[in-house]
Amino acid sequence: GAVVSQHPSRVICKSGTSVKIECRSLDFQATTMFWYRQFPKQSLMLMATSNEGSKATYEQGVEKDKFLINHASLTLSTLTVTSAHPEDSSFYICSARDKSGVFDNSPLHFGNGTRLTVT
Amino acid sequence: GQNIDQPTEMTATEGAIVQINCTYQTSGFNGLFWYQQHAGEAPTFLSYNVLDGLEEKGRFSSFLSRSKGYSYLLLKELQMKDSASYLCAVGRMEYGNKLVFGAGTILRVKS
Repeated sequence: GAVVSQHPSRVICKSGTSVKIECRSLDFQATTMFWYRQFPKQSLMLMATSNEGSKATYEQGVEKDKFLINHASLTLSTLTVTSAHPEDSSFYICSARDKSGVFDNSPLHFGNGTRLTVT
Repeated sequence: GQNIDQPTEMTATEGAIVQINCTYQTSGFNGLFWYQQHAGEAPTFLSYNVLDGLEEKGRFSSFLSRSKGYSYLLLKELQMKDSASYLCAVGRMEYGNKLVFGAGTILRVKS
């Protein structure tokens, strides 16, 4: 089945620094990837839709200048949390859909997530 | 906008059957998905429905009624390892086929 790889799995950084998270589709091409954030005991909240070769689409309330998304190839999207603060500590998860099939509503496949702790 | 509702918590006994309900209101409906998530891990795909009816996959089945905005996930022969959060998610065609998740139902399986 489709595999999405996310790196790093855990990162601890100091307040004010930036952190880059990578999301790769390993055995399929993903023109679109989705970035979610999950706080403890809460559900996944969509942050942005990453589009290959164009600007990301951000959900309401998500600061695009703080959460920089780059989708430079069909297999790689990156999320950079700039000037991180303790309130940015969360579980960040990327996902992608293998669109090689007929239907556009095929399931999303998730990376293993990145647990970010900002001290 | 969209509204997705599912129970917060459920408890069931090992070997039993449990049904987790999900109701939704959305525009541009493009599928209803169920995911399982263990604490601290990413969600894993379980099942999805695009058309009305029942989809069966081993111990897991999912049902959809689009006219009622209703779905359920049925888990049979419960095992302790089934203790997890179960997320109902709605696909929205008009927004790049993104998935919007409900808050999740924490299922506790007791022996």
